[in-house]
Amino acid sequence: DAGITQSPRHKVTETGTPVTLRCHQTENHRYMYWYRQDPGHGLRLIHYSYGVKDTDKGEVSDGYSVSRSKTEDFLLTLESATSSQTSVYFCAIGAASGAYEQYFGPGTRLTVT
Amino acid sequence: SQQGEEDPQALSIQEGENATMNCSYKTSINNLQWYRQNSGRGLVHLILIRSNEREKHSGRLRVTLDTSKKSSSLLITASRAADTASYFCATDGGSNYKLTFGKGTLLTVNP
Repeated sequence: DAGITQSPRHKVTETGTPVTLRCHQTENHRYMYWYRQDPGHGLRLIHYSYGVKDTDKGEVSDGYSVSRSKTEDFLLTLESATSSQTSVYFCAIGAASGAYEQYFGPGTRLTVT
Repeated sequence: SQQGEEDPQALSIQEGENATMNCSYKTSINNLQWYRQNSGRGLVHLILIRSNEREKHSGRLRVTLDTSKKSSSLLITASRAADTASYFCATDGGSNYKLTFGKGTLLTVNP
C-alpha cells in the first residue's frame, strides 16, 4: 500500500446522498484506477485516468463519475448513492511504460443504507 | 464481463504442500499478471508473464502461460500458512494499461 492512500477508509451513508472517495498517490504514476470488489464478482473496473483531466469509463461506470485535477489525486463520486453501490472500493496506480503492474491502495468500505 | 477465470474457486492444503491455481481467458493478451489479496487488504502484484514467455519463476512462485489454450497456472511450492490469501489473475486484453481481473482462488494453507 506504500505511496497510495484512500479516504475515508470506512463510510456509511444513506440512499440518495452524494459520496466522494479520494485516492492520493505519491508515486507520480500516470495511470490511476477505481475498482469495486463484491462477493461473486471479483474486482471490476469503474473508471480510470491516463493523465490529468483525462478519464475513461470502465466495465461498471453507471452511477459513478470521476475527476483528476492533479497527478496525485483521483476522486470517485457517487452522485446519488444506492444500496447496490455498497461495496469495497479500491484505487490503483500504474506506470506509463515498462512494467505494467498495478499497485493498490488499502480500500474503502462503503455501506449505503 | 470477466476476462480471466480462476480455477478452483477455493483450495485447502497443508503447510509444505504445493498449491496450483489455474486461469483461463478469452481474448489475446500482451501479458498476464497474478496478484495476491490478504483478507481486508488491497491486492499485491506477484508476477507478470509476457505473451511470448512460457514460464517464469519468482522465489517459490512458478507461472506458466499457454497462449494457444489461453490459460495460465500459478504454482506455489512448499506453501506456508502466510500464503493463505485470495489469488487473482489479470489480463490486459492487448491494452497494456487496463486490466481485467478474474474472481479469484481462495487458498487456505493449514498449519
